[in-house]
Amino acid sequence: DQQVKQNSPSLSVQEGRISILNCDYTNSMFDYFLWYKKYPAEGPTFLISISSIKDKNEDGRFTVFLNKSAKHLSLHIVPSQPGDSAVYFCAALNSGGGADGLTFGKGTHLIIQP
Amino acid sequence: DADVTQTPRNRITKTGKRIMLECSQTKGHDRMYWYRQDPGLGLQLIYYSFDVKDINKGEISDGYSVSRQAQAKFSLSLESAIPNQTALYFCATSSSDPYNEQFFGPGTRLTVL
Repeated sequence: DQQVKQNSPSLSVQEGRISILNCDYTNSMFDYFLWYKKYPAEGPTFLISISSIKDKNEDGRFTVFLNKSAKHLSLHIVPSQPGDSAVYFCAALNSGGGADGLTFGKGTHLIIQP
Repeated sequence: DADVTQTPRNRITKTGKRIMLECSQTKGHDRMYWYRQDPGLGLQLIYYSFDVKDINKGEISDGYSVSRQAQAKFSLSLESAIPNQTALYFCATSSSDPYNEQFFGPGTRLTVL
């Protein structure tokens, strides 16, 4: 059973507009969430994170929102730029759990249209 | 120079062959991880290591083994490769702080015929 879900395999957004990528999780023990960006033929690169004690974290054009009661987080990119076209993975961590790896969603392919 | 390197970058092998994928890092991190990614799926954790003497199984460790030769090196072995192990394999590192992000290598594309 998937513990981290990204239900949109792809998303197309016009350049300059806002991109909103969504992620849902089922494990209430997750207390740290990360977004990774991945270009073809490269490994994922860290983008932004949020701790469960916060509901918002902002870094430049990127903002992550966390709704713990709904077990939902979203990544907002504004304004969207052509270089933002990539696959975005949502990942979650239980910092007190035994396994220290991240649990990833399947990813959303973001396409920025000129 | 890249902080996390993986060799080889691409490999084609035959069913039943033993194959080793290698990972090196210059970030000085204690923790290292191996993930695999299948098409249309997220990354799944195979093995992870907190330090040289600590090796732990992840969610999909069957058919794989690992060796942490030094703090900077973590290798993944497929003892007898099978076609459903065809995937992208990523190595990652992180510091001991659980809230630090993981840094990924460029990946190894493995094809088992």
